[in-house]
Amino acid sequence: DAKTTQPTSMDCAEGRAANLPCNHSTISGNEYVYWYRQIHSQGPQYIIHGLKNNETNEMASLIITEDRKSSTLILPHATLRDTAVYYCIVNSGGSNYKLTFGKGTLLTVNP
Amino acid sequence: GAVVSQHPSWVICKSGTSVKIECRSLDFQATTMFWYRQFPKQSLMLMATSNEGSKATYEQGVEKDKFLINHASLTLSTLTVTSAHPEDSSFYICSAIPSGRSLVYNEQFFGPGTRLTVL
Repeated sequence: DAKTTQPTSMDCAEGRAANLPCNHSTISGNEYVYWYRQIHSQGPQYIIHGLKNNETNEMASLIITEDRKSSTLILPHATLRDTAVYYCIVNSGGSNYKLTFGKGTLLTVNP
Repeated sequence: GAVVSQHPSWVICKSGTSVKIECRSLDFQATTMFWYRQFPKQSLMLMATSNEGSKATYEQGVEKDKFLINHASLTLSTLTVTSAHPEDSSFYICSAIPSGRSLVYNEQFFGPGTRLTVL
């Protein structure tokens, strides 16, 4: 699976949009971009995934650049409960179910 | 839907004893489950892949005789830490993939984790 690079930490004001970048310059054509988050002392939670088109669900939006070398997870209206470590993972899916977690980005939402 | 539970949520044991951790998919069947461990301030590390009715597949560096995995049903996988030592103290997390899920859709459902402390 391709390697991802994320900032170590970010801050965001409550109510504002949080934009979390991820670099995956070595991504291959059949690899998806997945985002998970982990609130302190809990198990990770799936957020969203995409291949090349932008995706949106009730939690977030995922913007993938045209060359697919980077992506941005957008939390449109961050709340204090969104404070967590956010992991960007590249995986080909299919029979390769393994998720390789990097260090992620610690997002702190401030009141 | 898609809830995964773990039991116990935390456990403290003496060095040399064995500890069993259960992972259950509550409202779906899971042919495949995963076990991770997470040391303080570190990321999750995959330990093994558990497949119902067959032997688990362990990641490199994980001792299969020390971390026994049993996936006897489509809703239950257990991890037994045998002869636990203080260095085994960690946060153990399981995840599950619903059986029959589209193969391109790699959403894993994670349990809440079990904190093991070995004295």
